[in-house]
Amino acid sequence: AQTVTQSQPEMSVQEAETVTLSCTYDTSENNYYLFWYKQPPSRQMILVIRQEAYKQQNATENRFSVNFQKAAKSFSLKISDSQLGDTAMYFCAFIGDQGAQKLVFGQGTRLTINP
Amino acid sequence: GAVVSQHPSRVICKSGTSVKIECRSLDFQATTMFWYRQFPKKSLMLMATSNEGSKATYEQGVEKDKFLINHASLTLSTLTVTSAHPEDSSFYICSARAGGPGGELFFGEGSRLTVL
Repeated sequence: AQTVTQSQPEMSVQEAETVTLSCTYDTSENNYYLFWYKQPPSRQMILVIRQEAYKQQNATENRFSVNFQKAAKSFSLKISDSQLGDTAMYFCAFIGDQGAQKLVFGQGTRLTINP
Repeated sequence: GAVVSQHPSRVICKSGTSVKIECRSLDFQATTMFWYRQFPKKSLMLMATSNEGSKATYEQGVEKDKFLINHASLTLSTLTVTSAHPEDSSFYICSARAGGPGGELFFGEGSRLTVL
């Protein structure tokens, strides 16, 4: 079974700083997809960034980028020039290409951006 | 982007009653819908996966007779919490996907259930 682990329950940085959230996963599949979702206080889940395992190039979306290390099964999220609106829970998620194709979430990291 | 609407957003019911939560994909056909449960300050726990026209696949430990899931059309899935008890109080979130596993999942706004 696939598992996703986020080892940082909480993080806090000052506005405009760069912060990196960690995520590791375990799977026996060769092709899969990885996601970072943001859940602000409204509880609405928002897709931040998506990475396909067969693509070596790290995904980037404006201030958000990932460091995807397939061999190490690591998928960290870097937020540059952090803003107050980035304050939220961040969930790393995995979905395999085979079998049940269920989206599995990590435990989440509560990120606080301080003014 | 695509929209998934979940209704009701909040519901309070008495113990022993049943509650139905609807999840609709408003501008796309959702071949697969997922139902999650989220406890305060915790992650999303997958309850079941539903595919249109077939029985839902429940995760281990989820009572299928307690949480009835129906996916009768490509735009609607429902979760019915039967004979609700206070321990069923939680935040329930649905998500819908149009294509294969790499396709984006769109999430509903969530439904907060409180059982008195």
